[in-house]
Amino acid sequence: GAGVSQTPSNKVTEKGKYVELRCDPISGHTALYWYRQSLGQGPEFLIYFQGTGAADDSGLPNDRFFAVRPEGSVSTLKIQRTERGDSAVYLCASSSLAGVYTGELFFGEGSRLTVL
Amino acid sequence: QQQVKQSPQSLIVQKGGISIINCAYENTAFDYFPWYQQFPGKGPALLIAIRPDVSEKKEGRFTISFNKSAKQFSLHIMDSQPGDSATYFCAAIPRTGNQFYFGTGTSLTVIP
Repeated sequence: GAGVSQTPSNKVTEKGKYVELRCDPISGHTALYWYRQSLGQGPEFLIYFQGTGAADDSGLPNDRFFAVRPEGSVSTLKIQRTERGDSAVYLCASSSLAGVYTGELFFGEGSRLTVL
Repeated sequence: QQQVKQSPQSLIVQKGGISIINCAYENTAFDYFPWYQQFPGKGPALLIAIRPDVSEKKEGRFTISFNKSAKQFSLHIMDSQPGDSATYFCAAIPRTGNQFYFGTGTSLTVIP
């Protein structure tokens, strides 16, 4: 597709369950970011991939959160033992290497996670 | 700790008026300052960006003003239109480019 694709668009789960959120970036973009956006707030950085490796995972809130990008394209954000406080919109963005330094991030529409 | 402080939280402007949103930062390692526009149910989209060695950048009706000594920058939307109604986020990027720090957002409503 032409843009960043995220699935599912909505996910409702129960406290304690495991969740996977998928991001399909723009073809050829080497940089991929995961952000979390709570209601009325700006996006909060979680993790940044350059290629297959996590270049910066300092934003992951705790060890329940993990993300992979095994082939340098699609990425999956994994949340174990979900808590109600994990409820938010999870945004994925991709960029070319140059775009990383000039703000040219292309965001998906997000995956809205609700933990009951 | 909020790395980029944004104000106001919400703004209502008459059609044709000027919308002004302000941001401030402390970290001198920031090297690039983009603004993003977000419509409900959509991801943020890059609107305009500026480097700290430039005091002003204009693209159509959108202008960024940058005051490096005060560590402040602002977005001006001239001739505001109802279609500009959205949430606007300022952001700051460090030289390493690994993280983008976003402000808390400004919800703009342009009244016809």
